[in-house]
Amino acid sequence: DQQVKQNSPSLSVQEGRISILNCDYTNSMFDYFLWYKKYPAEGPTFLISISSIKDKNEDGRFTVFLNKSAKHLSLHIVPSQPGDSAVYFCAASQGGSEKLVFGKGTKLTVNP
Amino acid sequence: DTGVSQDPRHKITKRGQNVTFRCDPISEHNRLYWYRQTLGQGPEFLTYFQNEAQLEKSRLLSDRFSAERPKGSFSTLEIQRTEQGDSAMYLCASSFTGGRGNYGYTFGSGTRLTVV
Repeated sequence: DQQVKQNSPSLSVQEGRISILNCDYTNSMFDYFLWYKKYPAEGPTFLISISSIKDKNEDGRFTVFLNKSAKHLSLHIVPSQPGDSAVYFCAASQGGSEKLVFGKGTKLTVNP
Repeated sequence: DTGVSQDPRHKITKRGQNVTFRCDPISEHNRLYWYRQTLGQGPEFLTYFQNEAQLEKSRLLSDRFSAERPKGSFSTLEIQRTEQGDSAMYLCASSFTGGRGNYGYTFGSGTRLTVV
């Protein structure tokens, strides 16, 4: 049972445009959400997070939006750069646990 | 500090053999995590230590798997009687504030296990 779903295995955008990566979750107990970026042959790297008490968190070119009623979050990258090309994982956790539940990832390709 | 270090980077073993992986976390991090990632999937939680205490274990961690963090510093993950289904990338991560903190985990580059 996939509790965190990233339904788009891949996404391709032009440099300078916006990239929007989506994530859905089924467990209403999740209250903290994170995005990780992964390059080949490296471990995932933390990107940005959001608590369920917020609906938006911004860090430079990266913004995460959370819609609790829809159990949906999205990562916006503006403007997209070729160096952003990587696999992006959405992850979630619930209070009282250190465990993160990851989605399957979305491979982003930013074309020059 | 060079981040989270995992050794070896790659391991090929025959089915039925035992293997052990090592993880050296960032020195000031008291929390250490093991995850497993198979092809086309996201990382799956295996276990978590705070200092030397193992506080959470996944049901994925069968009797053939054991993890230790004897002095609250480095950790080892041992798989006994390996099976082909154990082939995966084993990722270690560490944290000071926990996975729910502002900086998430810091992952190592992983150990890729291939069971033949």
